[in-house]
Amino acid sequence: KAGVTQTPRYLIKTRGQQVTLSCSPISGHRSVSWYQQTPGQGLQFLFEYFSETQRNKGNFPGRFSGRQFSNSRSEMNVSTLELGDSALYLCASSVQEVGYGYTFGSGTRLTVV
Amino acid sequence: AQSVTQLGSHVSVSEGALVLLRCNYSSSVPPYLFWYVQYPNQGLQLLLKYTTGATLVKGINGFEAEFKKSETSFHLTKPSAHMSDAAEYFCAVSDRGKLIFGQGTELSVKP
Repeated sequence: KAGVTQTPRYLIKTRGQQVTLSCSPISGHRSVSWYQQTPGQGLQFLFEYFSETQRNKGNFPGRFSGRQFSNSRSEMNVSTLELGDSALYLCASSVQEVGYGYTFGSGTRLTVV
Repeated sequence: AQSVTQLGSHVSVSEGALVLLRCNYSSSVPPYLFWYVQYPNQGLQLLLKYTTGATLVKGINGFEAEFKKSETSFHLTKPSAHMSDAAEYFCAVSDRGKLIFGQGTELSVKP
């Protein structure tokens, strides 16, 4: 059974640009969440999608957005990149609810220069 | 709001020694609790979870954790450390569909 797949693994962007990250959940998983991991702030929740609807959102500026497609694949977009957006972005999927436990992908390492 | 505190950002043990990683949580409702492990340049791997039922939870790689409601704790233990256990460990609590993570504990294992 394939795990959670995130692409690309590494990305370097310039300040002011925008970026799109992709996540393919485990087959049959309908919930997809995104987290940002940085040395200073640790793991922080960005948003969660379930059946193409954003069900939950963290405390991030509007430059961070996402969506989920009918096949449960999800994308995350960050516009007008800032240096502080450099982080490991992790996607996680779950069957339905958080109690089942989330399975995480390997992440996308974004570096903003 | 829920929160998680992991005592000790870094723990060092000798190979074969007991591993004890501490986690305390605050939750206004019965919590779902998780321990994840992260190896360098990798995502998070679920070690174990507590939802309901038995308070002693066994996970992968010989780890286990005990949910103690009276102490609001969910400490992670392993009887005998192995070199391959060196990694960062995160405790997390569920909060309305999202996970709230502790700051992590880096475990070092000395030969």
